[in-house]
Order: sequence, then C-alpha cells, then structure tokens
Amino acid sequence: EAGVTQFPSHSVIEKGQTVTLRCDPISGHDNLYWYRRVMGKEIKFLLHFVKESKQDESGMPNNRFLAERTGGTYSTLKVQPAELEDSGVYFCASSQGQNQPQHFGDGTRLSIL
Amino acid sequence: GEDVEQSLFLSVREGDSSVINCTYTDSSSTYLYWYKQEPGAGLQLLTYIFSNMDMKQDQRLTVLLNKKDKHLSLRIADTQTGDSAIYFCAEGDSGGYQKVTFGTGTKLQVIP
Repeated sequence: EAGVTQFPSHSVIEKGQTVTLRCDPISGHDNLYWYRRVMGKEIKFLLHFVKESKQDESGMPNNRFLAERTGGTYSTLKVQPAELEDSGVYFCASSQGQNQPQHFGDGTRLSIL
Repeated sequence: GEDVEQSLFLSVREGDSSVINCTYTDSSSTYLYWYKQEPGAGLQLLTYIFSNMDMKQDQRLTVLLNKKDKHLSLRIADTQTGDSAIYFCAEGDSGGYQKVTFGTGTKLQVIP
C-alpha cells in the first residue's frame, strides 16, 4: 500500500510568486490534514478535510493560503502571493477514520527568496 | 489550548536504553503518538497509544502513559546508531477529528 505522497519535495520561489503543493493521501483515507513547520517552531496544524469538505481550517495563517480537495481524493495547498515567512516544511497526513492514527508524507520544503 | 513539551536533546551510547519524555496538557486526548524523523526524511509514525492504556510494547519500543500526570515516555531498548533521529511526541485533539498537536521534538544522538 502506497503511503501519503507529496509533491514537490522541494520548491524554491521568489517572494510574490505563487506555489501549489500537492498531497495524495493513502487510498481510501477520507481524512486529510495539512501541517507546517516554519523555522525554529513546532509542527502546526493548518486544516482538515473530510472527503472534499473542510472540517477545520482554524490553523490557516491568512487568506494567502488556499486549500482544495476537489473530488475528495488528492489535495492542493496554494500560497499566493508567497512571503518570506512562509518558508518551512509543509506536511500532509491522512487517516482512515476520525479516530484513527494519522500517517504523514515526507513533506514539501518550501523556500521563499 | 493544547501544549506538548519535551526536551530538545538526548545523547546515549550504542547498546544502552534511551528514554524520551513528554508532557501534554489535554487530558481528553484520545491518542498519543511518537513520530520519528530521520535526517532529510518525513515523519514516520513510530508508535501510538490509546488513552485508556498505560503501556504498549512493540519490539524494542515501550510506551508508558501516566494519565494522572499527563506524562508520556518512549523507551528504546538496545539503542542503535540507526535510531539517531528527531522524535516527536504528539497528542490527538479531544474533538471529533483528532487534530494533532506536536512537541518541539527530541534529537536523539547515538554514540557508537
């Protein structure tokens, strides 16, 4: 069984540009989560999907971040326009049910220059 | 809100046991997790314990949970150089959808 996959593994863009991160959850997992770790800080929750619906987006930092999960399969996280403080590692996780452990992908390292 | 605390660094000799400690604040957490991150890699779910348990053993790993003190520990027996990594303690939110709150991570250095 394939794990959670994220693409790209590393992205380097200039301030003001747009970047889209992708996450493919484990097949059959309805719950999909986004987290991020910015420099020197803890890994923090961003938002949670159940199928295609956003259940909790309380961790989204501001309206420059847009997450989608059309069709309830893979998810994208778009940052537009990117700012320097957005640099960090963005993790995606999925779980089969709401009370099941979350499995994480390898993360996307985002560097804003 | 939830808070998870753990020490930043631990150094042990190869063959010794390692014990990584963690404290958390949400007494209603359903799951408590240990994730492992090796250099350049993602987060690997190492083990987890359901909140109605006080111990879980899986090969060289032993997880102890003290709910009264909100204390979680991970013991690695016969620590190997391949165990060198950052270990994150995490708790699942007590709400319905189990948002995970992470500690800062403990960097385990194994000395040959």
